[in-house]
Amino acid sequence: QVQLVESGGGLVKPGGSLRLSCAASGFTFSDYYMSWIRQAPGKGLEWVSYISSSGSTIYYADSVKGRFTISRDNAKNSLYLQMNSLRAEDTAVYYCAREFSSSPDAFDIWGQGTMVTVSS
Amino acid sequence: SYVLTQPPSVSVAPGQTARITCGGNNIGSKSVHWYQQKPGQAPVLVVYDDSDRPSGIPERFSGSNSGNTATLTISRVEAGDEADYYCQVWDSSSDHPHVVFGGGTKLTVL
Repeated sequence: QVQLVESGGGLVKPGGSLRLSCAASGFTFSDYYMSWIRQAPGKGLEWVSYISSSGSTIYYADSVKGRFTISRDNAKNSLYLQMNSLRAEDTAVYYCAREFSSSPDAFDIWGQGTMVTVSS
Repeated sequence: SYVLTQPPSVSVAPGQTARITCGGNNIGSKSVHWYQQKPGQAPVLVVYDDSDRPSGIPERFSGSNSGNTATLTISRVEAGDEADYYCQVWDSSSDHPHVVFGGGTKLTVL
């Protein structure tokens, strides 16, 4: 079935780095735009970054620009988020999400999320 | 940057109709999407492009969008509808396009 599975979360000190991965299955990954979306504990959803199907177009939220890098490997059906210079306010569950084919502005498939905790 | 405003909470009795609003400047010119999120779970798309439903979403979920307000309407509310609901748009008006979520509304079924 169509599925996204995130991994790579954990506890990291402020200023540290972490690389998240999202493994896609059950659909042609290379046909879809993808995004990372995060949710701080007890808070709402916050979009982080977007990458087009080929990887040629990338956007970031202002809060992470210059610190986070989104990438994808279509041969491996995988999406990545390299997070550097991490701050306490980056603590959140990070979801990868697939664009909805009927409306590319929306997200129809989400992973279960991976928790990132930034703390000393 | 573009801001979406939702009421923090809405309460409704079972069988009644719940309406959750999402305010934004001229939001009627944008496509609005709605997500349902239950505790400990990932969000689920329940309405897209203002008023369309993805496959598998009950007809009780509907949406509208005009002027400065979009609305998610849940008819014949059930206990299982209790969740957080988020509206979302794609804002391409600035020099760098980005996704915007509302702050979320907690729906309580009394």
